Amino acid sequence: QITLKESGPTLVKPTQTLTVTCTFSGFSLSTIGVGVGWIRQPPGKALEWLAHIYWNDAKRYSPSLNNRLTITKDTSKNQVVLTVTNMDPVDTATYYCAHRRGPTGWAVDYWGQGTLVTVSS
Amino acid sequence: DIQMTQSPSSLSASVGDRVTITCRASQSINNYLNWYQQKPGKAPKLLIYDASSLQSGVPSRFSGSGSGTDFTLTITSLQPEDFATYYCQQGDSSPLTFGGGTEVEIK
Repeated sequence: QITLKESGPTLVKPTQTLTVTCTFSGFSLSTIGVGVGWIRQPPGKALEWLAHIYWNDAKRYSPSLNNRLTITKDTSKNQVVLTVTNMDPVDTATYYCAHRRGPTGWAVDYWGQGTLVTVSS
Repeated sequence: DIQMTQSPSSLSASVGDRVTITCRASQSINNYLNWYQQKPGKAPKLLIYDASSLQSGVPSRFSGSGSGTDFTLTITSLQPEDFATYYCQQGDSSPLTFGGGTEVEIK
């Protein structure tokens, strides 16, 4: 059974760095083809893909966030960490952790429950 | 980036209705098109992957079709639990992108 759970601060101040952690179980991020991603959703708005990381440590980022993102994995701890620098109120959103369904294409078959991060002074 | 355009942005329908939502990609995505259902306060749920494959556990009233750049999600007989927001997403190339969503409301 695959599960993912996000953890991190619920409130950050503008210009601060956000660090959110995805702790998962039921799969290994050292298995060929496996990937974990981060997706966010501002209140009342659409989903936005942020970044993902593969079993081989390959990483992909959303260019719209202008190099503010860093994604890393700790296979021994079954964790994936996303950092977002220079947070702004427009970054207020629910941040979801996501498991890649299969080795081709990118569909999310398992999602974390999401963690709401508010950016405010 | 590949742009995903969903239509309509919202629709009103009755229980039992046939509902169709469309999604258009700005370039060919090799049928790596996925559909999700999201209810308020919940994470999205995968319904259809690779344009037409039904995710395990999803009712057969949901189906997907299309190829290249144009795709469709069909709900053949809308049920009360289907009132939600639906998103398409291309899984072909990075950055992965979502459509703007279609809210299905009760008429």
